[in-house]
Amino acid sequence: QVQLQESGPGLVKPSETLSLTCAVSGYSISSGYYWGWIRQPPGKGLEWIGSIYHSGSTYYNPSLKSRVTISVDTSKNQFSLKLSSVTAADTAVYYCARHRGSGYDRPFDYWGQGTLVTVSS
Amino acid sequence: EIVMTQSPATLSVSPGERATLSCRASQSVSSNLAWYQQKPGQAPRLLIYGASTRATGIPARFSGSGSGTEFTLTISSLQSEDFAVYYCQQYNNWPTFGQGTKVEIK
Repeated sequence: QVQLQESGPGLVKPSETLSLTCAVSGYSISSGYYWGWIRQPPGKGLEWIGSIYHSGSTYYNPSLKSRVTISVDTSKNQFSLKLSSVTAADTAVYYCARHRGSGYDRPFDYWGQGTLVTVSS
Repeated sequence: EIVMTQSPATLSVSPGERATLSCRASQSVSSNLAWYQQKPGQAPRLLIYGASTRATGIPARFSGSGSGTEFTLTISSLQSEDFAVYYCQQYNNWPTFGQGTKVEIK
């Protein structure tokens, strides 16, 4: 069974960089699929942030592209998100998920439980 | 950006009744449309992909239809565990989600 688990600081100061990691178990990232990050502000809808393949190929939401970096560490079977210059608008539950199929243009079939990141001084 | 619009925002339904949720895309997404269910404090769960294919383990009372710009999720007979928020998502282009429809107990 594929399982994903997000980890990282729950509180980030404005203007700093948000950093999260998603540990994958039950499946080797090197075997394929795209892996993505999605966020959900409290009480609001879902927003795709970006996705990565095990080769390091990435796709980002154009509205966030200038601030986002997603990387992969196949030796640790995990991938990571960095979002720079955060503001209160970046406060959200951040989910990592797997795309169903070999493309970032696929639905998400496995999700982590999510982690709340609050941006506040 | 392809904008996904869901209606209604809230749907009040009695247990055992049928629920019909709508999702409209601002431009054609072919059949590249998925539906998710989200309960409070939980991650979304994939219900439907390819507009009409149920994901693994999803009960037959959930069905999806449509193509192009108009899509529908139907829950034939609502069970207590079906009261939740439902999101549509297109993946014809970079992924975008609708704003959600909350299905509540009438």
